[in-house]
Amino acid sequence: GAVVSQHPSWVICKSGTSVKIECRSLDFQATTMFWYRQFPKQSLMLMATSNEGSKATYEQGVEKDKFLINHASLTLSTLTVTSAHPEDSSFYICSPGQGVDPEAFFGQGTRLTVV
Amino acid sequence: ELKVEQNPLFLSMQEGKNYTIYCNYSTTSDRLYWYRQDPGKSLESLFVLLSNGAVKQEGRLMASLDTKARLSTLHITAAVHDLSATYFCAVDEGGAQKLVFGQGTRLTINP
Repeated sequence: GAVVSQHPSWVICKSGTSVKIECRSLDFQATTMFWYRQFPKQSLMLMATSNEGSKATYEQGVEKDKFLINHASLTLSTLTVTSAHPEDSSFYICSPGQGVDPEAFFGQGTRLTVV
Repeated sequence: ELKVEQNPLFLSMQEGKNYTIYCNYSTTSDRLYWYRQDPGKSLESLFVLLSNGAVKQEGRLMASLDTKARLSTLHITAAVHDLSATYFCAVDEGGAQKLVFGQGTRLTINP
């Protein structure tokens, strides 16, 4: 199956700072990357979809200026949480969209804690 | 809007018992996924169900899909403690692995 590497696995940052999360597809080209967020004891919710070479699309209620997504290459998508606040503390998980293989793969996740 | 509902949300059972987790979804889809999540971890893929009547089994877990009823089940046979985890079903919205998740079922198996 496809290998997806997400980094960092956890990060603690001060309120008001920015954090970048990287998601790399190691053995295939990901034209699409889905970014999910999971609050404690809740389910996963799609935040945004990034597409290589074009603007990301955001789900309703997700601030595009706060969650900056870059998908500059077919193997790397990044999510930057800008001016982080404690309410942004969550588990962020990436998943590439493939289209050919029906299997859906996920990164290892990033636990963000904003203090 | 696609909605996915699981039940039960919490399940505490004894080792050796059988139980079923249900997953209902609101619109037509022919891709349904089951995942396991351990605390602090990402998702572990269990099953991908791609057609009506599909049944897959792995160890003590068996999943099935009825697309006409928009229902999938995850059956646990002779539960063991190691199966304690949160289980999610998810439905593919649009055929490109864009998933809508159920609420999750937190399963606790007691010795």
